[in-house]
Amino acid sequence: IAGITQAPTSQILAAGRRMTLRCTQDMRHNAMYWYRQDLGLGLRLIHYSNTAGTTGKGEVPDGYSVSRANTDDFPLTLASAVPSQTSVYFCASSEFRGSVQYFGPGTRLTVT
Amino acid sequence: GNSVTQMEGPVTLSEEAFLTINCTYTATGYPSLFWYVQYPGEGLQLLLKATKADDKGSNKGFEATYRKETTSFHLEKGSVQVSDSAVYFCALEYGNKLVFGAGTILRVKS
Repeated sequence: IAGITQAPTSQILAAGRRMTLRCTQDMRHNAMYWYRQDLGLGLRLIHYSNTAGTTGKGEVPDGYSVSRANTDDFPLTLASAVPSQTSVYFCASSEFRGSVQYFGPGTRLTVT
Repeated sequence: GNSVTQMEGPVTLSEEAFLTINCTYTATGYPSLFWYVQYPGEGLQLLLKATKADDKGSNKGFEATYRKETTSFHLEKGSVQVSDSAVYFCALEYGNKLVFGAGTILRVKS
């Protein structure tokens, strides 16, 4: 079934630890995105990638990094997690930057 | 800057009631407007969209009209079902950036 997969589904992480959230899409979309969802704030863009090999900063990039080595994968790394990074993280993709975005099921991350 | 304001929830309705969720936006230029829906435990799904003034987006009985004069994109449904219980997000897109509202929780009771 075509779509976006994210892993893990949920994770509890000690502060200071490194964590990579995985995202894979099989729709051959050029653009991919990472959002965090916090109560009362909606979704906020962390990083994006217009095409393989390029990345850009979104609204709340601090403390996060991404890479886009190929079309399908767009991992998000927290180098040293802090409690304020407790959130639900959604990966999304679109055919091109600006076209309709399709979302993955999310990763619930708790930093203690 | 660009922003989206939605009515606060939760909105609680009985089955077959009429639904309105208000959404207003602030934008420079002429954005595209969207409603996304998030069912429990799932990611967001596009519900409907409108790309220019006076366009009406519709899907699954939901409708929203792009009103440039009032900068609004209110979501409506004539008769809600229990299965419509979800979180609804209004969003605008301008300059290849998607900006979301805070979301409105809808609970429909049987």
